[in-house]
Amino acid sequence: DAGITQSPRYKITETGRQVTLMCHQTWSHSYMFWYRQDLGHGLRLIYYSAAADITDKGEVPDGYVVSRSKTENFPLTLESATRSQTSVYFCASATGSNTGELFFGEGSRLTVL
Amino acid sequence: GDSVTQMEGPVTLSEEAFLTINCTYTATGYPSLFWYVQYPGEGLQLLLKATKADDKGSNKGFEATYRKETTSFHLEKGSVQVSDSAVYFCALSNNYGQNFVFGPGTRLSVLP
Repeated sequence: DAGITQSPRYKITETGRQVTLMCHQTWSHSYMFWYRQDLGHGLRLIYYSAAADITDKGEVPDGYVVSRSKTENFPLTLESATRSQTSVYFCASATGSNTGELFFGEGSRLTVL
Repeated sequence: GDSVTQMEGPVTLSEEAFLTINCTYTATGYPSLFWYVQYPGEGLQLLLKATKADDKGSNKGFEATYRKETTSFHLEKGSVQVSDSAVYFCALSNNYGQNFVFGPGTRLSVLP
């Protein structure tokens, strides 16, 4: 089915481990985004990408790495997870039109022990 | 920079009550405005949008009008249902869709 999918939906890991959250979209949207959602902070942008091989930092990029070798994939890696990275992570995509909306995945709930 | 302000709630209403969630924005140029809804355990879904001044977005009984003179995009529904219980986010898009700014979200609980 067309859409934007995230995996895994739930992940428990330990401090210091590397974790990769996957995001795949089937619309060929130019733009892709990673947000984290925390109680009291709303949605905060981590990284975004305007096209394959073009990425840029958002509001809270420290501790995260992204890549975009293909238009449809935008993985987010936590190179050495910390407890403060316990959160719900949302991937989203957009066409790049000024009138277009964001399309969100269902989220990945990450717990770092 | 661009910003969105909305009442944070929580808002608790009885079924069939009238709902208003206020949203105001600060932005350069001519942003598009959105309301998103997030049901428990799910991602955000677009509820409605408006792309220019005086446009009215509507969906599932919800409405919001793009008011450039007051820089507002208030969400309204005439008669809420228990199934409307969710978190509602006001947002704007600027700079050709590469800059989305969200409000903090408003949690709505509707009691039977």
